[in-house]
Amino acid sequence: EVVLTQSPGTLSFSPGERATLSCRASQSISSRYLAWYQQKPGQAPRLLIYGTSSRATGIPDRFSGSGSGTDFTLTISRLEPEDFAVYYCQQYGRSPPFTFGPGTKVDIK
Amino acid sequence: QVQLVQSGAEVKKPGASVKVSCKVSGYTLTHLTMHWVRQAPGKGLEWMGGFDPEYGETIYARKFQGRVTMTEDTSTDTAYMDLSRLTSDDTAVYFCATVDYGDYFAFDFWGQGTLVTVSS
Repeated sequence: EVVLTQSPGTLSFSPGERATLSCRASQSISSRYLAWYQQKPGQAPRLLIYGTSSRATGIPDRFSGSGSGTDFTLTISRLEPEDFAVYYCQQYGRSPPFTFGPGTKVDIK
Repeated sequence: QVQLVQSGAEVKKPGASVKVSCKVSGYTLTHLTMHWVRQAPGKGLEWMGGFDPEYGETIYARKFQGRVTMTEDTSTDTAYMDLSRLTSDDTAVYFCATVDYGDYFAFDFWGQGTLVTVSS
C-alpha cells in the first residue's frame, strides 16, 4: 500500500504570499495518478489538480502542481482569502486503489 | 453538470446498520463510476470502496469488507452505501463521489456529505 505523507500539518501565511505544499509517497507513483483537493469547513473536497499538474475545470491558474516519483508539490502563487483551507493529496494505484494524504491546513498568519 | 445529492443525517446505536443514498442528476448513473469516502470528525479522508471498471465490479477497502455493501438503482439514478455493525468509530461524514478513470483517476464530483453519528 502506498502511504502519502504531508508535512507539516499546518502552514501559516499572509494573503498575497506564495504557498508551497508537499506530498511524499512511500514508493514511486506515476505522475498520472497524483491529485490534489481543497476542503473548506463543512464542505466536500474539491478537485484542484489531477495528473500531478493539470488543473481541474474552473480552477484558477494561481494553483499549480509539480513533481514526480515520490515527491509532489502544490503551489498557490498568491494566496487569496478564499484559499485558506485544508489541502489533501491523493494517489491512484492498487490495493487499495485510492489513498489520501493526512492533509495540510493553510491558515492565516 | 453532474450533481450528487445525499440523504440526511442519521443517528444510530452501536450494532445497527445505516444506509446512505446518493441521487445523481445532470447525468445518468450508468455512465458514472461511484465511490464512497468518509471523514471522521476533525480527521482526513478515507476511501471506502466503489466500482472498478477494470475488474467490472465493486471493490471495498479491506477494513470494511464484510461490513459494507454499495449498490446502485439505475432506474432512479441513485447509489447506496450500507454499513452494518456500527461502532462509535464509524461516526463520520460519508461522501459519495464519482471517479473519472479516463483522464483524472481522481474524484471529480462529490455529494454534500451525510453525517452518521453512532451513539448509545
